[in-house]
Amino acid sequence: GQNIDQPTEMTATEGAIVQINCTYQTSGFNGLFWYQQHAGEAPTFLSYNVLDGLEEKGRFSSFLSRSKGYSYLLLKELQMKDSASYLCAVMDSNYQLIWGAGTKLIIKP
Amino acid sequence: DTGVSQDPRHKITKRGQNVTFRCDPISEHNRLYWYRQTLGQGPEFLTYFQNEAQLEKSRLLSDRFSAERPKGSFSTLEIQRTEQGDSAMYLCASSLGWPSGGPETQYFGPGTRLTVL
Repeated sequence: GQNIDQPTEMTATEGAIVQINCTYQTSGFNGLFWYQQHAGEAPTFLSYNVLDGLEEKGRFSSFLSRSKGYSYLLLKELQMKDSASYLCAVMDSNYQLIWGAGTKLIIKP
Repeated sequence: DTGVSQDPRHKITKRGQNVTFRCDPISEHNRLYWYRQTLGQGPEFLTYFQNEAQLEKSRLLSDRFSAERPKGSFSTLEIQRTEQGDSAMYLCASSLGWPSGGPETQYFGPGTRLTVL
């Protein structure tokens, strides 16, 4: 079966750094996506990785290791507005997105 | 605004009634997806279209659900004889579709929140 695992909830302090991990087992791999979702709103695209390594985009970075079936999202200089759920999704061999349940990130002052 | 739009944003209905939702994708996007999401879960795939062709439907999609994209632009999702278990956020997303030459990033609309009483 296909499976995406990520922690249910994490807590971090404003101004700090947090790393959200994602492990996956899918039938095929055509890229890994991270989305941010604020409560009651739709997911918004953050990053895409298809090759191994780190992709940096401002305060957010995403890392991929295909051999390990592993990715992480790194958020730096945390702000209160970063409080949201972060969804990891893998595009499988049929070009369908397989979604994790999301990691709820709580930022404390 | 050239993003994905959905209508209505909220729908409250009584069990047994039919409901229809509309999605307008980003204009140059060929692919359109419907998802369902419940609290604390990731989006659950329902179906998707490449232009006007419905290419895949989830096995979770009962025969009470039907989707159309008649002219390859907007799409509708209809739920017949709604049940309380249908209460969820219904999300629409669109992407460029092949051969875009780039990552198949899906862009989401604001969603329609359905409550079945």
